[in-house]
This record gives sequence, structure tokens and C-alpha cells, in this order.
Amino acid sequence: AAGVIQSPRHLIKEKRETATLKCYPIPRHDTVYWYQQGPGQDPQFLISFYEKMQSDKGSIPDRFSAQQFSDYHSELNMSSLELGDSALYFCASSPFFAGGNEQFFGPGTRLTVL
Amino acid sequence: AQSVTQLGSHVSVSEGALVLLRCNYSSSVPPYLFWYVQYPNQGLQLLLKYTSAATLVKGINGFEAEFKKSETSFHLTKPSAHMSDAAEYFCAVRSTGANSKLTFGKGITLSVRP
Repeated sequence: AAGVIQSPRHLIKEKRETATLKCYPIPRHDTVYWYQQGPGQDPQFLISFYEKMQSDKGSIPDRFSAQQFSDYHSELNMSSLELGDSALYFCASSPFFAGGNEQFFGPGTRLTVL
Repeated sequence: AQSVTQLGSHVSVSEGALVLLRCNYSSSVPPYLFWYVQYPNQGLQLLLKYTSAATLVKGINGFEAEFKKSETSFHLTKPSAHMSDAAEYFCAVRSTGANSKLTFGKGITLSVRP
């Protein structure tokens, strides 16, 4: 079965650089979520999109922005990177009319800021 | 706001012994509850979920959890631990609204001794 695809899987950046993380949801899933998991931490919700519109926002820094495109893939743009941005970034997808259905997680992008 | 509390950060059991990982939730309305497992350097995999149907939920790899409203608990159990169960386990809660974010507990590291 198709899964959530994230690219790149690993990314190394310098401080103050920018990074773009991509997420391709499972086919026919129209909702995408982004989570950040710092070292030894639990995943923290950043932002979500439904039908290309932002549906919820969590603890996402102003330096970060995200969007969902017409093909439902999503991109997380991160600017002025800081050392503290080093983390595992997960994307998850789900279908809208899902009731209590689960969110399906991708393998994550590991971002290292030097 | 919804939250989950996972008592203890590390649990160690012998192979073949009972696994019990505790999770208590806080929610003003009946929530949806999930257990996810994360193996080293991998993404989050759903073990099982509670979505207001049966209170005893069976998941993958022999795990099960029981929703107890009176105790606001959703503890994860497995009768006999296997070496391959060693991983990080996260309890998560979300509201019943569509596209609701997941709120994770701090996670519990399960070690299995030979």
C-alpha cells in the first residue's frame, strides 16, 4: 500500500540558511499535518492543511511557513535556521471524512543545523 | 485542552514477561486515543486506536489497550514481551472533530532483557 513520502530524508544546513521539506500524502488523503520531534522529545504539532487551506496551527515559529498544493502535497519552508531547529520533521496525512481514523505518518526528514 | 500523561520514561522487562505501559488522558469530551511505536531512526507506526467503539482494543504485534473512562486511562499491554518490542512508545489524544491534531505524551522507552 502507498505510504506518506517525505523528501529529503536527511538535510544538513548551516545557521541562517533556509530549508524546504516536502510531503506527499497517501492518494485520496486531503489533509496533511506537520510535526516536529526534537532529540528525545515527543512530536509537537506545527500546522495542518485541508483542501489547500490551513486548518490548524500549533507551535510553529514565524520563521516557518507551509502550504498545500493542488495535488495535495505540502511543503514546509524554514528560514533563518537556528541550531534549535535540528529535529525530525514528520508529515502525516488522513482523509477528511475519517471520523476517528488515524493519521498516517511518513518516515520523517531529519534536519541538522550546524 | 487535551493532554496525555505517560508515567515514567523507561520501562525494562524480561523477554516473555508482561508489558504494561501507562497512559492517562485529560479531556473535557470523550477523545480518540492512540498508541504509536517508534523504532530507532524510524517514523511513527500505529499500534492501536480507541474511537468510542469497543473499550478493549486489539492492535498489531499482540498489543492491546483498554479504555477506562472512570480512570481516564488507556494503558497498553502485551502478555509476553519479545526482543523486537524494544522501542519508544507514544500515547496520543485527539478530539473527535475532523482534521484534529494529535497531542502526544512524552513517550516511554521499552527495553527487553534476554
